[in-house]
Amino acid sequence: EIVLTQSPATLSLSPGERATLSCRASQSVSSYLAWYQQKPGQAPRLLIYHASNRATGIPARFSGSGSGTDFTLTISSLEPEDFAVYYCQQRSNWPPYTFGQGTKLEIK
Amino acid sequence: QVQLQESGPGLVKPSETLSLTCSVSGGSISSYYWTWIRQSPGKGLEWIGNIYYSGSTKYNPSLQSRLTISIDTSKNQFSLKLSSVTAADTAVYYCARDRGMTMIAGDFYYYGMDVWGQGTTVTVSS
Repeated sequence: EIVLTQSPATLSLSPGERATLSCRASQSVSSYLAWYQQKPGQAPRLLIYHASNRATGIPARFSGSGSGTDFTLTISSLEPEDFAVYYCQQRSNWPPYTFGQGTKLEIK
Repeated sequence: QVQLQESGPGLVKPSETLSLTCSVSGGSISSYYWTWIRQSPGKGLEWIGNIYYSGSTKYNPSLQSRLTISIDTSKNQFSLKLSSVTAADTAVYYCARDRGMTMIAGDFYYYGMDVWGQGTTVTVSS
């Protein structure tokens, strides 16, 4: 099973600041990685697919990068609605298609 | 646009079988991968398994011995059955559409899980 480790567990920032979230895989997942945002009481929402492609309707302030084992989600300038929990998820050759444990982005 | 809706009992007794259905509206179930994910209270997301529209399945090895995912294309629904449940199976269960891999210009692209149901809470308790 491929383990995804996200860091930091919690990130405290202010609106307008830049957020950088990390996801590291225990073995290469090529670019088969997605990022999701989850707000309390809601289902996750797809933000980024194939490591660096924004999903439909996702603002340009969200960007993804990386390949192999190291990936980054960047939010260039935080808006109040961006404070949430973020998960990475991989889809390698074999199941399970695991998620990271999440990074909570909170208002400082 | 495509919408997903989970349904099923909110309370299941220990050792019994948890059964959920996901209804797909606004589009056909006859493509893509249809997935179940769960989230235990205060915890992260766990991929349970998926089913391709053709009926082929992939399961989380940790649940495989207790898990069955099926699809009914005539009803535009897919279902999950998890047997011999314990308190550890208490969670919010989500269904989602996984667009899977697509080959473009000789490379595979992974398009992610782009449509999710709202989730349904299942509690295992006597």
